[in-house]
Amino acid sequence: IVLTQSPGTLSLSPGERATLSCRASQSVSNNYLGWYQQRPGQAPRLLIYGAYSRNTGVPDRFSGSGSGTDFTLTISRLEPEDFAVYYCQHYGSSLTFGGGTKVEIK
Amino acid sequence: QVQLQESGPGLVKPSETLSLTCTVSGYSISGGYFWGWVRQPPGKGLEWIGFIYHDGTTYHNPSLKNRVTISVDTSKDQFSLQLKSVTAADTAVYYCAKTLTTVARGYFDYWGQGILVTVSS
Repeated sequence: IVLTQSPGTLSLSPGERATLSCRASQSVSNNYLGWYQQRPGQAPRLLIYGAYSRNTGVPDRFSGSGSGTDFTLTISRLEPEDFAVYYCQHYGSSLTFGGGTKVEIK
Repeated sequence: QVQLQESGPGLVKPSETLSLTCTVSGYSISGGYFWGWVRQPPGKGLEWIGFIYHDGTTYHNPSLKNRVTISVDTSKDQFSLQLKSVTAADTAVYYCAKTLTTVARGYFDYWGQGILVTVSS
């Protein structure tokens, strides 16, 4: 399965809402879709698994939704530490990541 | 708190074998979970390499064909990666990571800090 993320870059201001898209080339079974955040110079951090379940310690301003081939990560109100690159990821016959969406300060 | 730390050479010559070790602390590898490797070329996205269970069961990225070997040493709480016949395209930051659960092995919830490996003569 190929994961396509859009947009490539999202320019927003702190306090605004961010909506990130991940589209799969085939239907994702069992909603096996995760989201990661990666800040510069850091390892990725698991935010969401199973399409909508928040990992331990992840603030509730992060939410995941979607099913089938279309999935969304929403950040309800951007905090300064949320400006980063976000990757979606699927595991089925193989494990694949999307190309990433960079959320930058406008 | 689970912690992972990658170690190994930062420079490997083309056609040689890249060898990295991940040391786990705060948890016994024998206790469960899958333990994996992910890499990231400079300025690019993430690529899954593979993962291993404490009994030696492995899964790896088919795109890396037969170049990858992942092994585990439960007595030392370490697992290792070997990547054969490297080229410049294998230059990347290599991360080791732990899976969220044994069943949900497709998600990584703890990561090492990463180690940059450069392939160059």
